[in-house]
Amino acid sequence: EAGVTQFPSHSVIEKGQTVTLRCDPISGHDNLYWYRRVMGKEIKFLLHFVKESKQDESGMPNNRFLAERTGGTYSTLKVQPAELEDSGVYFCASSQTFFGELFFGEGSRLTVL
Amino acid sequence: TQLLEQSPQFLSIQEGENLTVYCNSSSVFSSLQWYRQEPGEGPVLLVTVVTGGEVKKLKRLTFQFGDARKDSSLHITAAQPGDTGLYLCADRSRGSNYKLTFGKGTLLTVNP
Repeated sequence: EAGVTQFPSHSVIEKGQTVTLRCDPISGHDNLYWYRRVMGKEIKFLLHFVKESKQDESGMPNNRFLAERTGGTYSTLKVQPAELEDSGVYFCASSQTFFGELFFGEGSRLTVL
Repeated sequence: TQLLEQSPQFLSIQEGENLTVYCNSSSVFSSLQWYRQEPGEGPVLLVTVVTGGEVKKLKRLTFQFGDARKDSSLHITAAQPGDTGLYLCADRSRGSNYKLTFGKGTLLTVNP
């Protein structure tokens, strides 16, 4: 069975540009999470979907970040416009149940120049 | 806001040596989890501990949870190069909607 897949694995953009990260969770997993690790810091929670609904978006840094989950399947995280401090690794994770084990993808590394 | 401190930050040892890494919390853990992250991969769950004083073993890895549920240790016996990676502790708290709060991790390198 395929794990959590993320695309792209690495994106390099200039400040002010837009980037969209995609996550495909494990099939059948209703819960989808986005986390981020910026250089020198710990991995931090961004938001949590249950199916297509946002359960908790308390970790979203500001309104330049927009997350969607179409039809409760894959999710996208758009950063527009990107700033230097948005550089980091964005991890997606999914779980079958609300309390279940989180399975992480390999991450999407974002570099904003 | 809960803060998780992990030590040491970096550890480089020879194959066959034993090691211990630590995780301390500014507040009581709800549910402590240890993850390992290998280069280019996402974190993978190793173990979950919830009861103070609990000890769990996973092959050569021994996880210990402090009696007061504010600290934990991970001991690896006879380390192997395949143990190389970033070891992360995290709390998964009902009070924070079960989202994970991570420490910065201990980067372990086991040299052959």
